[in-house]
Amino acid sequence: DVKVTQSSRYLVKRTGEKVFLECVQDMDHENMFWYRQDPGLGLRLIYFSYDVKMKEKGDIPEGYSVSREKKERFSLILESASTSQTSMYLCASSPQGRGETQYFGPGTRLLVL
Amino acid sequence: GENVEQHPSTLSVQEGDSAVIKCTYSDSASNYFPWYKQELGKRPQLIIDIRSNVGEKKDQRIAVTLNKTAKHFSLHITETQPEDSAVYFCAASNSGSARQLTFGSGTQLTVLP
Repeated sequence: DVKVTQSSRYLVKRTGEKVFLECVQDMDHENMFWYRQDPGLGLRLIYFSYDVKMKEKGDIPEGYSVSREKKERFSLILESASTSQTSMYLCASSPQGRGETQYFGPGTRLLVL
Repeated sequence: GENVEQHPSTLSVQEGDSAVIKCTYSDSASNYFPWYKQELGKRPQLIIDIRSNVGEKKDQRIAVTLNKTAKHFSLHITETQPEDSAVYFCAASNSGSARQLTFGSGTQLTVLP
């Protein structure tokens, strides 16, 4: 059974803080993704990675960066958190190949004050 | 890039009735179309998917149809039950990068007892 875990379920940070969100998957998946989920906007892709140390920008990368030093771990970094980044953040992973199923983590609800 | 539109944004049906959710996509090269269900407070989970070489796929009370010419696909749930109440997301693969999905904005389905 695929397991994707995220470091925190809830997080409260202050404007300007550097924020780290971590995601770990245990199925040896090549691909990992970070989305943010906002009401009425669905899931929007921030960044994704198809291999260790590889990353590609998604649809809304501004204000975010990522790191993938190990295959199982994909980190999302908010360099200087802003109130507009208050959201639900979802991590996902999928095996290599076109159109493969993405498996999601439980999400991190981030509040930036 | 790919653009996916999903309708309706909310849908209420009586228990036992059918529910239909529709999505359109813009990239004619997209070839993979999954549907995810997200119950309140939980992670999105795949419920059914279809590839572009197939016009219809069924799994018990759930079916998905694909019209490649019109670039739209639909989710059909028959004999709805209260546990079908959730947010449903459609998605389409992005031909620009083999592993990306573009999601619709979601449909809140409520099944009334």
